Amino acid sequence: AQSVTQLGSHVSVSEGALVLLRCNYSSSVPPYLFWYVQYPNQGLQLLLKYTSAATLVKGINGFEAEFKKSETSFHLTKPSAHMSDAAEYFCAVSDRVVIQGAQKLVFGQGTRLTINP
Amino acid sequence: GAGVSQSPRYKVAKRGQDVALRCDPISGHVSLFWYQQALGQGPEFLTYFQNEAQLDKSGLPSDRFFAERPEGSVSTLKIQRTQQEDSAVYLCASSLNRASGANVLTFGAGSRLTVL
Repeated sequence: AQSVTQLGSHVSVSEGALVLLRCNYSSSVPPYLFWYVQYPNQGLQLLLKYTSAATLVKGINGFEAEFKKSETSFHLTKPSAHMSDAAEYFCAVSDRVVIQGAQKLVFGQGTRLTINP
Repeated sequence: GAGVSQSPRYKVAKRGQDVALRCDPISGHVSLFWYQQALGQGPEFLTYFQNEAQLDKSGLPSDRFFAERPEGSVSTLKIQRTQQEDSAVYLCASSLNRASGANVLTFGAGSRLTVL
């Protein structure tokens, strides 16, 4: 079964500093990978996705993530944190091929990002 | 509509009550998912519909949970005889059903259920 591990339930950085949120997946074949952001009392918003093209994926709000097969990782980064980046971030994985049903997402536990002024 | 709409946004129920949560997906989206998000946790899959067919209900935690999508658009998640452990945010998501490539899920804001 697929699984996702997000290292660090809480990450705190200063405004302007580098943001690094870690995600490792477990899957027998390279899956589809996603990062979602959740602001308080809101649903999840897609930041970016990896589907097999370029291993470095650029998303919205200046975020990017790099797929590293050898490390089974898909870490999320942003060069310079902004106060508005404070939120909960979820890494998710789905199968590429499904026999019946759909590409349901398996989520990590989430990482709460705090930005210090 | 432009996005996935869920109602009610907040629901407080006494233990033992039945509740119904509604999801209005994006028009034309074939796939509809329900997820349960407990406090401080990631969302967990409950069930999946393709049009009106419920193709996967492997995540429903007990037979007190029931979901339907009778006309292939609006879906309702029903929880009978609610228990305190049912307290969570229930997220609905919809997507197209592309034959190839990743299907991107669009999530609603969720329905927060508190069982007293």
